[in-house]
Amino acid sequence: DAGVTQSPTHLIKTRGQQVTLRCSPISGHKSVSWYQQVLGQGPQFIFQYYEKEERGRGNFPDRFSARQFPNYSSELNVNALLLGDSALYLCASSLAGGADTQYFGPGTRLTVL
Amino acid sequence: AQSVSQHNHHVILSEAASLELGCNYSYGGTVNLFWYVQYPGQHLQLLLKYFSGDPLVKGIKGFEAEFIKSKFSFNLRKPSVQWSDTAEYFCAVNSEAGTALIFGKGTTLSVSS
Repeated sequence: DAGVTQSPTHLIKTRGQQVTLRCSPISGHKSVSWYQQVLGQGPQFIFQYYEKEERGRGNFPDRFSARQFPNYSSELNVNALLLGDSALYLCASSLAGGADTQYFGPGTRLTVL
Repeated sequence: AQSVSQHNHHVILSEAASLELGCNYSYGGTVNLFWYVQYPGQHLQLLLKYFSGDPLVKGIKGFEAEFIKSKFSFNLRKPSVQWSDTAEYFCAVNSEAGTALIFGKGTTLSVSS
């Protein structure tokens, strides 16, 4: 079975631009979570979605938004990019969200210049 | 706020040495605990997890962890490390709301052959 897939692999943007990152969960998983991993740190929670509804949100500004589609794939959008948004963005899927075990994708490396 | 503390930033061992990586968490309620591993160039993978029951949990590749509730600890152990265990190790706990994983900063393990 395919694991969690994310696209694109790498992305370079300039300050002020907007970016959309995409994630496809493991087949059968209905929940997707997004994390930001800055170099030298552990991943930080951004959002969790289950059945297209936001289940949880971390301490990130409103520039960050996400949505989940009927096929359970998800997009993370970041507006008005700042240099500090440069990070690895990880998507994780789980069967039903909540405290279910989360399985991570390879991530999208975003560089903001 | 909940937090996870990993005591060792960088551990260097020779092959066949024993390993113990420390992890402490701050939340006093019911917790689900995880260890994830990130091998060089690969994505985060689940090593083992504790939800309930036997506090000694066995994972993949000979790793085990012990949940000690009174010490708020979930230390990772392996009796004999191999060069292939070189990786970054992350301890994580489910948030109080249950949706997010809260990660420690990670421990880099370097094993020399």
